This record gives sequence, C-alpha cells and structure tokens, in this order.
Amino acid sequence: DTAVSQTPKYLVTQMGNDKSIKCEQNLGHDTMYWYKQDSKKFLKIMFSYNNKELIINETVPNRFSPKSPDKAHLNLHINSLELGDSAVYFCASSQEETSGQETQYFGPGTRLLVL
Amino acid sequence: GENVEQHPSTLSVQEGDSAVIKCTYSDSASNYFPWYKQELGKRPQLIIDIRSNVGEKKDQRIAVTLNKTAKHFSLHITETQPEDSAVYFCAASMSRDTGKLIFGQGTTLQVKP
Repeated sequence: DTAVSQTPKYLVTQMGNDKSIKCEQNLGHDTMYWYKQDSKKFLKIMFSYNNKELIINETVPNRFSPKSPDKAHLNLHINSLELGDSAVYFCASSQEETSGQETQYFGPGTRLLVL
Repeated sequence: GENVEQHPSTLSVQEGDSAVIKCTYSDSASNYFPWYKQELGKRPQLIIDIRSNVGEKKDQRIAVTLNKTAKHFSLHITETQPEDSAVYFCAASMSRDTGKLIFGQGTTLQVKP
C-alpha cells in the first residue's frame, strides 16, 4: 500500500556506468517529480512530468534523462555517471488542482554512490 | 528565479521549549508555502502548509505564519519533544510554475530531553 515507491533503495556503481532509478505512485496523481538531495541536505528539483509530458527541466546535464511510460511511473536514467552524481534522489508526486498547488508526496529515496 | 533563504541552519532547544524557523522568499508571485520534516535517512514529509490568501495556520503544536508584504514565513513548534528532532525544510512555489518547489537550505532541530 506504499504511496510512492522507488527502486533500488541503494545503488553503488563505478564512474562511467549507466544506471536507472524507477519510481511508481499509486495515488492517482497526474504530476511526478525528481529531486536531488546533496551531501549538505539541499533539495533541488530536477524534472517534473504532468500526464507524461515534461513540464520542468532544471538545467540538469543531458546525461540525465527522465522517462514517463504512464502517469503512474517516472523513471530516471543516468548515463556516464560521475562522482558528483552521488546523492539521494527522491521521486515525488502531486495532484494539480485549479485551486493551486497540492501536497507533494515523496518516495523513500535512492542513495546513489559513484566510486 | 525564485530563491528561498532559511534560518537558522541549526537549532538546539530543551524539551518543552518553543522553536522558530524563518524563511524568506524572493518572488512575490509565490503563493504556496509548505514545510517538510525529514528524519535521518527518511523521506521529507509535509507537516503543514499555507497559501498566500491566509496569514496563519495552526495544527496542534505546529503553526505557520506568512507575511506577504515582507515575503517571509515562519514555522513555530511549541512544547517541543525529542521526536521533533529532524531537519525541517521550508519551500515556496508559484501556481504558474506547475508544482516547482524551491526549498530552503534546511534547519537541523535538536530537542534535548
């Protein structure tokens, strides 16, 4: 019954590798996001999708490519991993209403360590 | 673009005392201000939010105030308990920016028993 889930929870890999992180939400939300939390705990938005359409792309290197096969899933593929990509990546989802922003619910996070 | 500044970066209080965390934002078009609590190794979780048409909102021991003129908002926790210890993030967003939350730098709150 988990609302927003991510896999894997931990990811340790070598520089130069390509990896993917998957996110699924069962809340029926139409907007999903990827955030990066660095070692100083700073949370920064990377991407958002609304009904499978890319809405926000925050000057993220093009080695990062999000993909939304349907509105319940938003995956993140990272090519040619670099040391600086080490961080915790959080997926989130929300339901946009005409009255304004609604709560964003976060997944458990994927801890990526690039060696 | 929008910028959110959060202070203090760390806050230590005795159990039972109050804690106040303050944030300022740069874009006057911001109209949604959530606060998230993140325990060690866990996901951020919403604890309270406020919209620009409201000046204050309260939920048990937690309250948030918003001053649109000064572009700042604050989180107030009364009667703090050790389980309130966590990192707290403020954020701001504009409805025209479809869900784009700009987060403050976070405040590590330690409540000493």
